[in-house]
Amino acid sequence: AQSVTQLGSHVSVSEGALVLLRCNYSSSVPPYLFWYVQYPNQGLQLLLKYTSAATLVKGINGFEAEFKKSETSFHLTKPSAHMSDAAEYFCAGAAGNKLTFGGGTRVLVKP
Amino acid sequence: NAGVTQTPKFQVLKTGQSMTLQCAQDMNHNSMYWYRQDPGMGLRLIYYSASEGTTDKGEVPNGYNVSRLNKREFSLRLESAAPSQTSVYFCASSDGLAETDTQYFGPGTRLTVL
Repeated sequence: AQSVTQLGSHVSVSEGALVLLRCNYSSSVPPYLFWYVQYPNQGLQLLLKYTSAATLVKGINGFEAEFKKSETSFHLTKPSAHMSDAAEYFCAGAAGNKLTFGGGTRVLVKP
Repeated sequence: NAGVTQTPKFQVLKTGQSMTLQCAQDMNHNSMYWYRQDPGMGLRLIYYSASEGTTDKGEVPNGYNVSRLNKREFSLRLESAAPSQTSVYFCASSDGLAETDTQYFGPGTRLTVL
């Protein structure tokens, strides 16, 4: 069975600083991995997904994630945080036809 | 396109009451899903429907039933609500069941069971 772990339930960054959200997976098969963002009182939106085509995946709003098989990681980064990035972020892995979600990381952006 | 819509947005129930959460999608997707979101636990799959006329249990199906009314609509029913079912419920849809298929989510229903 696949599991997804997000390190840190809350992250606080200053506007303009690097955003780094950590995600590790465990899987016995090649994983398909996703990052979703949830803005307050909204549903989840897809930021990016890894489907084994390239290890560095670029998404919307300046986010990107790098798949590292040796570290079983799929960390999400953005070079410069913006106030509008304040949201909750979920890493998810697909196995068969089901998504397994991490617990989520809430990002606070300080002016 | 409205995408995935859910009704109601908010609901308060008393223990033992029943209700149905409605979900509809206008993307002509084949597969639909119901999740619940609880703090610190991410989203957990309750039921899914691979195609019209089929439904299958997910990770946490107890206390719920579903109906895939047609290709567009997928409803979730709580027959006898319990406080443990207080949660935010999300419906999602995808074109198929492939692992690479993106799931599109509705805005959610916030349910409180007293």
